[in-house]
Amino acid sequence: LAKTTQPISMDSYEGQEVNITCSHNNIATNDYITWYQQFPSQGPRFIIQGYKTKVTNEVASLFIPADRKSSTLSLPRVSLSDTAVYYCLVGDINNNDMRFGAGTRLTVKP
Amino acid sequence: NAGVTQTPKFRILKIGQSMTLQCTQDMNHNYMYWYRQDPGMGLKLIYYSVGAGITDKGEVPNGYNVSRSTTEDFPLRLELAAPSQTSVYFCASNERARNYGYTFGSGTRLTVV
Repeated sequence: LAKTTQPISMDSYEGQEVNITCSHNNIATNDYITWYQQFPSQGPRFIIQGYKTKVTNEVASLFIPADRKSSTLSLPRVSLSDTAVYYCLVGDINNNDMRFGAGTRLTVKP
Repeated sequence: NAGVTQTPKFRILKIGQSMTLQCTQDMNHNYMYWYRQDPGMGLKLIYYSVGAGITDKGEVPNGYNVSRSTTEDFPLRLELAAPSQTSVYFCASNERARNYGYTFGSGTRLTVV
């Protein structure tokens, strides 16, 4: 299983773009990168998933460089409601043992 | 579409008691999982199932049991509750073919005293 490293916490202000980087130096060929968002007292919510280059959906963008040893979740123009913990997971999508690290606690201030 | 439903939302158990945490999904997903989350920590996989009648251990299975008699239901059983099992428990499911990640329930907060 690929080990991931994320910042423990980040602060931002409303309207700013937030970039959260995840390091995964030992990512394997079949591994995908998946990000989840978790609000207090709720289960994690799937945000975005990618394998290489760039993926964009209505919520976020995911940037993956050619070597795939890191990835960056980009949240455009954050609001107070984006305050949450964000988890980066790396693994084969056919692997049943997907492990969550401690995540990055994002605090958006007014 | 209800998604993944967990019951109860809260429960207090005494040491040595037993209980079953219920999990039901209405998305016809074959894959289902149970995680626990301790305060300030990430989620740890307890058990998972790849289909009715098939279950397997995750990272922290000791003290728990599961069964999967139908596609929809995946109950988690605690036989002899211990204070170390105080945690928030999340059930999740997914459909591999769509690669859209897991859908989680809202959790069960369990306190063992």
